[in-house]
Amino acid sequence: KAGVTQTPRYLIKTRGQQVTLSCSPISGHRSVSWYQQTPGQGLQFLFEYFSETQRNKGNFPGRFSGRQFSNSRSEMNVSTLELGDSALYLCASSRDRVYGYTFGSGTRLTVV
Amino acid sequence: GDSVTQMEGPVTLSEEACLTINCTYTATGYPSLFWYVQYPGEGLQLLLKATKADDKGSNKGFEATYRKETTSFHLEKGSVQVSDSAVYFCAHSTSGSRLTFGEGTQLTVNP
Repeated sequence: KAGVTQTPRYLIKTRGQQVTLSCSPISGHRSVSWYQQTPGQGLQFLFEYFSETQRNKGNFPGRFSGRQFSNSRSEMNVSTLELGDSALYLCASSRDRVYGYTFGSGTRLTVV
Repeated sequence: GDSVTQMEGPVTLSEEACLTINCTYTATGYPSLFWYVQYPGEGLQLLLKATKADDKGSNKGFEATYRKETTSFHLEKGSVQVSDSAVYFCAHSTSGSRLTFGEGTQLTVNP
């Protein structure tokens, strides 16, 4: 069974640009969550989507947004990139919240 | 607010030594508890979980027991291997739709 797939694996962008990251969940999983991982702040929750609706949102500025499609694939977008947005962005999918979340390998974003 | 506190690392052990990584949490309601492991350059892998008090999660020789009275979920392994070297994260989920993580504990096992 295929795992959670995130593309691209690595990305280099310039300050002020925008970026879109993609996540394909495990087949049958309708919940997709996004996390940001940095050395200074650790793992922080961005948002969660379930059946195309944002169900929960973390404390990130409006420059961070996401969406989910009818096939459960999800994208997150960061506009007007800042140096501090450099991080590993992880996507996780879940069939049922109680059973935990399966994470992808992440997208490493570097803003220069 | 909800939080997870892990013992500070890094932790360095010799092969076959015993491992304990402490984890305590604060949460409203009755959270589910998780341990995740992250190998270099990779995402997080679910190591084990427990969903109610006194549950014991176990996997690959690792164990953790959900202790509601002490709000703890310590990770233990009786004999570590070099291949266990990784970063370990304790986490909980109360509302169900978000995981709150600890800071992570870097474990290095030397042969």
